[in-house]
Amino acid sequence: LAKTTQPISMDSYEGQEVNITCSHNNIATNDYITWYQQFPSQGPRFIIQGYKTKVTNEVASLFIPADRKSSTLSLPRVSLSDTAVYYCLVAWTGTASKLTFGTGTRLQVTL
Amino acid sequence: NAGVTQTPKFRVLKTGQSMTLLCAQDMNHEYMYWYRQDPGMGLRLIHYSVGEGTTAKGEVPDGYNVSRLKKQNFLLGLESAAPSQTSVYFCASTGDWGYTFGSGTRLTVV
Repeated sequence: LAKTTQPISMDSYEGQEVNITCSHNNIATNDYITWYQQFPSQGPRFIIQGYKTKVTNEVASLFIPADRKSSTLSLPRVSLSDTAVYYCLVAWTGTASKLTFGTGTRLQVTL
Repeated sequence: NAGVTQTPKFRVLKTGQSMTLLCAQDMNHEYMYWYRQDPGMGLRLIHYSVGEGTTAKGEVPDGYNVSRLKKQNFLLGLESAAPSQTSVYFCASTGDWGYTFGSGTRLTVV
């Protein structure tokens, strides 16, 4: 299983762009990169998934370099409601593997 | 709305009591999971299932049992609850676009 490393916490002001980088040096060929968001007292929520290059949806963008050893979640113009924990997962979603969510990155957005 | 439903949402148990947590999904997903999350920590996998009638151990399976008699349901059982099992329990299922999680069950063992 690919191990991931991401910052423990980040702070941002409302309206700024936030980039959270995740390292996954031993990513396998079949692995996808998926990011989740978790608010207090709620289960994690799927944000975005990608395999290579760039993926964009209505919530975020995901940048993946050619070597796929890292990925960056980009949140444009964050608001207070984006305060949450963000998890990076690397796995082949076609199989049930012993996935473990790390401690994630705790993003705090203030005025 | 389609998704994962967990019952109950809250429960307080005395040490030694037993209980079953129910997870139901209506997305026809094959894979289902049970995680626990302790304060300030990430989620740890307890057990998972790759299909009806199958189960497997995750990272922290001790003290828990599971059953997947129907594809849409995944049950987590605590045979003899211990204070160390005080946690928030999340059920999830996997589709083409990652995990869908339930809203969690907050369990306190006193």
